Amino acid sequence: GAVVSQHPSWVICKSGTSVKIECRSLDFQATTMFWYRQFPKQSLMLMATSNEGSKATYEQGVEKDKFLINHASLTLSTLTVTSAHPEDSSFYICSAIAPPGQWPSGANVLTFGAGSRLTVL
Amino acid sequence: AQTVTQSQPEMSVQEAETVTLSCTYDTSENNYYLFWYKQPPSRQMILVIRQEAYKQQNATENRFSVNFQKAAKSFSLKISDSQLGDTAMYFCAFMKLTGTYKYIFGTGTRLKVLA
Repeated sequence: GAVVSQHPSWVICKSGTSVKIECRSLDFQATTMFWYRQFPKQSLMLMATSNEGSKATYEQGVEKDKFLINHASLTLSTLTVTSAHPEDSSFYICSAIAPPGQWPSGANVLTFGAGSRLTVL
Repeated sequence: AQTVTQSQPEMSVQEAETVTLSCTYDTSENNYYLFWYKQPPSRQMILVIRQEAYKQQNATENRFSVNFQKAAKSFSLKISDSQLGDTAMYFCAFMKLTGTYKYIFGTGTRLKVLA
């Protein structure tokens, strides 16, 4: 099956600094990756859709200058939280879908990374 | 726009018993997928089961099965012989087959399996 690796699993930073989170598809090529944010005991909120070789598509209300997404290769997408503030503290999860040709039994199945817990002091 | 509703915020079940989690959705699409994902305390999202809307037969995966009622837009998850390791948050999700693979998640049901 498809595997998505996310790093770091947790990070603590000072207010005003930037933090980068990496999401890698380990055994398949992902033309599309998704970034979610999850608040405690709540559902996943889609932040943006990351498209390889093009600009990310952000959901309404998500600041694109605050949450920079880069999908430079078919196996790597990054989320950079710029000038982080305490209200940016959250659990961030990436995910990807393997194209049907690469994983026929998993067509349209979203595979998730393990998540990254960000704490901004 | 599509919506997914999980009306049970929390549920509990005795070990070895059976429990059913509810999910309803709203869409005008005819072709779509439905999923149940599990998020244990580790917070890693794990696929439990999926259902293609064009299939009338309910999907099953070992102890997990669904009751898919397309006309009623209902998609419940039945867990048989519940195990302690089933304790988790369960999310129902919808994805239409046209467009951008965007998933719509429900608000989740927290399931606790009691010893």
